[in-house]
Amino acid sequence: DQQVKQNSPSLSVQEGRISILNCDYTNSMFDYFLWYKKYPAEGPTFLISISSIKDKNEDGRFTVFLNKSAKHLSLHIVPSQPGDSAVYFCAASENAGNNRKLIWGLGTSLAVNP
Amino acid sequence: NAGVMQNPRHLVRRRGQEARLRCSPMKGHSHVYWYRQLPEEGLKFMVYLQKENIIDESGMPKERFSAEFPKEGPSILRIQQVVRGDSAAYFCASSPSGGAANTIYFGEGSWLTVV
Repeated sequence: DQQVKQNSPSLSVQEGRISILNCDYTNSMFDYFLWYKKYPAEGPTFLISISSIKDKNEDGRFTVFLNKSAKHLSLHIVPSQPGDSAVYFCAASENAGNNRKLIWGLGTSLAVNP
Repeated sequence: NAGVMQNPRHLVRRRGQEARLRCSPMKGHSHVYWYRQLPEEGLKFMVYLQKENIIDESGMPKERFSAEFPKEGPSILRIQQVVRGDSAAYFCASSPSGGAANTIYFGEGSWLTVV
């Protein structure tokens, strides 16, 4: 049973436009969410996170929005750049992130076209 | 400051052989995690270790798989009598003591192919 779902396997966006990657979760005990970026043949790289006590966290071009009632979060990348092309994973944990056992979605492959 | 180091990067084993994957955490990190990514799937948690202790092994298959993080040296993920279904990318991650989930850093992975 997939507790963290990324329903779009792929997304294609024009350079300079906004990329929106979505993630849904089913476990109401999750209270900390993370986004990782992964290039082929490399390990995931931490991008941005959000605690369930917040509904938005921003870091440069990256913003994560959390809708707890809908059990939904999204990652916005503005403006998108070709170097952003990668697979993006949503992950979740319990205990405000102190439980380091992360539950992962299947990823969304983002292609940013020049 | 070296990151999380995994070796070998690629390993080919015949069915029935043993596979040993090594992970050296980042300097100053005392917590190690192993994750597995099967083809076309996301990462799945396997085990969480601190030095000389297994903290959570709820994601480890019950048979053939074991992990250790000795007082000295790297963490080892050992797979005995490998089968084709063990073919996957195995990622190690580390974090400092008391660090939150956003302080976990991943290695570049070890790709196991069982032929």
